[in-house]
Order: sequence, then C-alpha cells, then structure tokens
Amino acid sequence: IAGITQAPTSQILAAGRRMTLRCTQDMRHNAMYWYRQDLGLGLRLIHYSNTAGTTGKGEVPDGYSVSRANTDDFPLTLASAVPSQTSVYFCASSDLGGSDTQYFGPGTRLTVL
Amino acid sequence: GQNIDQPTEMTATEGAIVQINCTYQTSGFNGLFWYQQHAGEAPTFLSYNVLDGLEEKGRFSSFLSRSKGYSYLLLKELQMKDSASYLCAVKGNDYKLSFGAGTTVTVRA
Repeated sequence: IAGITQAPTSQILAAGRRMTLRCTQDMRHNAMYWYRQDLGLGLRLIHYSNTAGTTGKGEVPDGYSVSRANTDDFPLTLASAVPSQTSVYFCASSDLGGSDTQYFGPGTRLTVL
Repeated sequence: GQNIDQPTEMTATEGAIVQINCTYQTSGFNGLFWYQQHAGEAPTFLSYNVLDGLEEKGRFSSFLSRSKGYSYLLLKELQMKDSASYLCAVKGNDYKLSFGAGTTVTVRA
C-alpha cells in the first residue's frame, strides 16, 4: 500500500444496523482523524487519535466510536446507524509534531435508509 | 469557536487567473492550509502558510495576513483540470484543522 486506504468504498445500510468503516495507513504517522463531508458544510472532525492507544472527540462525535490499537489502523464504528449519518467519510493521517500536513484516504460513501 | 468563510463558487476562463479568498476567526492560529478536491475524490494538499506573506509553488500561490485573519489562493494560467473545490483550513490552538465549506471553481474553455 502507499498512503491511506479505506474500506468499503461505498455502502447502503439499513437504519439501526451496526457498521464499521476501516482505515489503514502505511506512512507511520502518529496521528489519525475521521471526518464527514456534507454538502455546504465542509469537512467536520468526528474523532481523532494523536497516537496509538489514545483517542479524542472532535466536533461531531455523537453516534460514532473509534479505537486505535496500533499505529496503522483507525476504524470508525456506527453502533446503530441513523439516516442523518448519510455522508462521505474521510480518514486522514499526519505526522503530529512534524510537518503536521494531513493526508486523506479516498473516502467511504455511506447511505443510511 | 471557529468561523472560516470562503466564496461558494467562482467561474473563470482557461488561461486566466483566479483568486480565492478565505477569512477566518478562530480560537488561536497555528497555520493555514489549502487543499484541492476534485469531485468524488479525496482532498489533496496544496499549500501551508504559518508566517505572513506569499508562498509560491508553480502556478499556485498562497498568501497569509495573520493580523487581518485573511488568506488567498491564487491560481494562474488556469487549466481545465483545475476545475475543483478548494478548501481553506485553519489549525487552531488544539492543533486540529477547521475547514471552510470550500469554493467550487469552474474553468470554462
């Protein structure tokens, strides 16, 4: 791999179902982030992790959870999906304390019906 | 809180110059980023300014004035492939990025 990968590319999900979006990076970045992007609202931070073993809440964390068991992986879980979680989800990573530039994965388009 | 404003849309002709303005009012400031995002794709990094002044990278330049809470991205010699959304993002005191809603630039032949 080179960079950040996300899976699935897209998903249609029934309301109330549980869903995990996967994100993997191979750049050995210490920090990772999850954003959602909605028309007219720009990118909004859901959760972040500054280093393996730690996580924090962003601007819109409700209904989402994350874990960071190792440096490379940062999955995002929707415990019980609702239609308002229909969005495009982007994972990003950065070398916190270094250049700090965030690099984004290709995104997951999620539709909750 | 964070407040980042940029125009919603701009249209320009191939070969022309376009300037995308970004104004911000944020809780602290530790740098400003510009990203390009083509439709259906991920944002890609264009530029980073942390000190006042102009940073030039080929056809793209970015300017920052911290005292005015203002930045612009200048796109010169526009090409059709420059049609995209351009996102302004400010790194605040918590070192997290706050994004503007983006400016969609359409380049016409």
